[in-house]
Amino acid sequence: GAGVSQSPRYKVAKRGQDVALRCDPISGHVSLFWYQQALGQGPEFLTYFQNEAQLDKSGLPSDRFFAERPEGSVSTLKIQRTQQEDSAVYLCASSLGVWGGGDGYTFGSGTRLTVV
Amino acid sequence: SQQGEEDPQALSIQEGENATMNCSYKTSINNLQWYRQNSGRGLVHLILIRSNEREKHSGRLRVTLDTSKKSSSLLITASRAADTASYFCATRGGNQFYFGTGTSLTVIP
Repeated sequence: GAGVSQSPRYKVAKRGQDVALRCDPISGHVSLFWYQQALGQGPEFLTYFQNEAQLDKSGLPSDRFFAERPEGSVSTLKIQRTQQEDSAVYLCASSLGVWGGGDGYTFGSGTRLTVV
Repeated sequence: SQQGEEDPQALSIQEGENATMNCSYKTSINNLQWYRQNSGRGLVHLILIRSNEREKHSGRLRVTLDTSKKSSSLLITASRAADTASYFCATRGGNQFYFGTGTSLTVIP
């Protein structure tokens, strides 16, 4: 597609519920990132994929967070047993190469998760 | 934790004026990028400056980089109401980008 697509745009979950957030990167993009952005803050790194390989998951805040990209394209971020502190906007970004080149990274519009 | 810090946190100017925001970072970099984020939207890449560059222009944007001071500035000239957004600098460390806390710019028509 023309851009990075994330779904759903908004998600309200009851505390303890599991959620799955989807990211469709630009076709052919090698690198894919997930970021978490709390209100009024900058994005915080969660995890990085190079094709289907999850090379860095050091930013995942707990073992309740899990991400996958099984075929090197679409990625899913899953949060189990959601808690109120998980409320944030979850951003996905992709780039054609490993280093992003001169065009930077393309971000999706994000999924706003509210845990009640 | 976030590596960069933008300054000021908030900036309000009249349309037509220039807006300058600064970014400081902590570690050595290969490049530094600036992004814009409109309320409720994703980030849009504005400009990338490499560590061996000191200044770069793109339209109404001018970015400077001082690696000795670990700082960068973004200048938006002849601002427009549509420039109202949050602006973030981002530096790469390992596999991730570190974003600052952002400067919230309001351009008053």
